[in-house]
Amino acid sequence: NAGVTQTPKFQVLKTGQSMTLQCAQDMNHEYMSWYRQDPGMGLRLIHYSVGAGITDQGEVPNGYNVSRSTTEDFPLRLLSAAPSQTSVYFCASSSSGAGGPFYEQYFGPGTRLTVT
Amino acid sequence: AQTVTQSQPEMSVQEAETVTLSCTYDTSENNYYLFWYKQPPSRQMILVIRQEAYKQQNATENRFSVNFQKAAKSFSLKISDSQLGDTAMYFCAFMKGYTGTASKLTFGTGTRLQVTL
Repeated sequence: NAGVTQTPKFQVLKTGQSMTLQCAQDMNHEYMSWYRQDPGMGLRLIHYSVGAGITDQGEVPNGYNVSRSTTEDFPLRLLSAAPSQTSVYFCASSSSGAGGPFYEQYFGPGTRLTVT
Repeated sequence: AQTVTQSQPEMSVQEAETVTLSCTYDTSENNYYLFWYKQPPSRQMILVIRQEAYKQQNATENRFSVNFQKAAKSFSLKISDSQLGDTAMYFCAFMKGYTGTASKLTFGTGTRLQVTL
């Protein structure tokens, strides 16, 4: 049981480049989320999903796209990277009750992204 | 919208002593959960303790306990017998307690705790 995995761990992009941050979980969790962590600002919700095929925007969605074609995977796409997207990105998953403590969020190890 | 405020950016405590981290929140909801997460230098987010708003009894987990004051919208974390391994950033977080909101946490800005010898 690997929990929540994220790839890559580190990435450097040039302004305007695109990339996808990968997130996968093997706990059969319905809920998955993406957060970004910036110094002095805590974690902020980018996008979230309540199940395969269902996604919605969080607090800071601009510049990011998501899709959820399977229960396991929830990739985050940056279409045209900007320096303001330099941050640490965390993926998280949780269950409505089956398989673990009710509503506990399990976090991946994070991806540090630098946009130059 | 919910807000979570942690007014102590940094704190320091000596080993074996007790320290309390403060958190206040603002919400119009009546059904919600509150959490404390620990983030050590490894960057991993670790759940420390959870409190359901409908429960009057304060949650405890070994050396960690909370003081949950619902009317005052206050949720402080007490760490007893502090250990060097408690050195980390601590985040307070809020979540509505309804189906479909389990993936939406609102975090405070964090308190950096340093445990010294």
